[in-house]
Amino acid sequence: DIQMTQSPSSVSASIGDTVTITCRASQGISSWLAWYQQKPGKAPKLLIYTASTLQTGVPSRFSGSGSGTDFTLTINSLQPEDFATYYCQQANSFPITFGPGTKVEIK
Amino acid sequence: QVQLVQSGAEVKKPGASVKVSCKASGYSLTRYGISWVRQAPGQGLEWMGWISPSNGNTNYAQSFQGRVTMTTDTSTDTAYMELRSLRSDDTALYFCVREAGYTSFFDYWGQGTLVTVSS
Repeated sequence: DIQMTQSPSSVSASIGDTVTITCRASQGISSWLAWYQQKPGKAPKLLIYTASTLQTGVPSRFSGSGSGTDFTLTINSLQPEDFATYYCQQANSFPITFGPGTKVEIK
Repeated sequence: QVQLVQSGAEVKKPGASVKVSCKASGYSLTRYGISWVRQAPGQGLEWMGWISPSNGNTNYAQSFQGRVTMTTDTSTDTAYMELRSLRSDDTALYFCVREAGYTSFFDYWGQGTLVTVSS
């Protein structure tokens, strides 16, 4: 199974800040990586797929990069609605696996 | 618009079974794969398995092998997930999710079904 790790596990940031979250796969997954945003009590929402493709309707302040084993989610100019938990997910092979999540909190 | 609407919350005793439904609308169920993902209270996301509604092929996570069965009813565009021999650590929110195209990226999620296992 491909193990996914994320860092940091939580980050405190202010409105307008830039936040960067890192995701690492235990083996190469090419660009088969997605990022999701989850707010309390809600289902996750797909933000980015194939490592860097923005899902329709997602604001352009979100961006993704990376390939192979190391990936990054960047949120520019953090907005109030961006405070949430973010998960990476590998779609390279079964079993599908998710990272443990990164909680973005208000400083 | 695409929607996945799941059945309501369930309370079960240890050792029992639960069957959660997921009705798709806004598209034909046979066009895209369906996975099931669960989330224990305060925890992360755990993939349980996948089914191809077009041919019934399945792939289950090892940790659920022998306890889970995923099926679909294409006449009603509904997917089902049955989990047997429930334990307290199966208490979780269960989501059905639609694959985006021919990938395992999940573009649409059901609202979640809370399954509580308690004696």
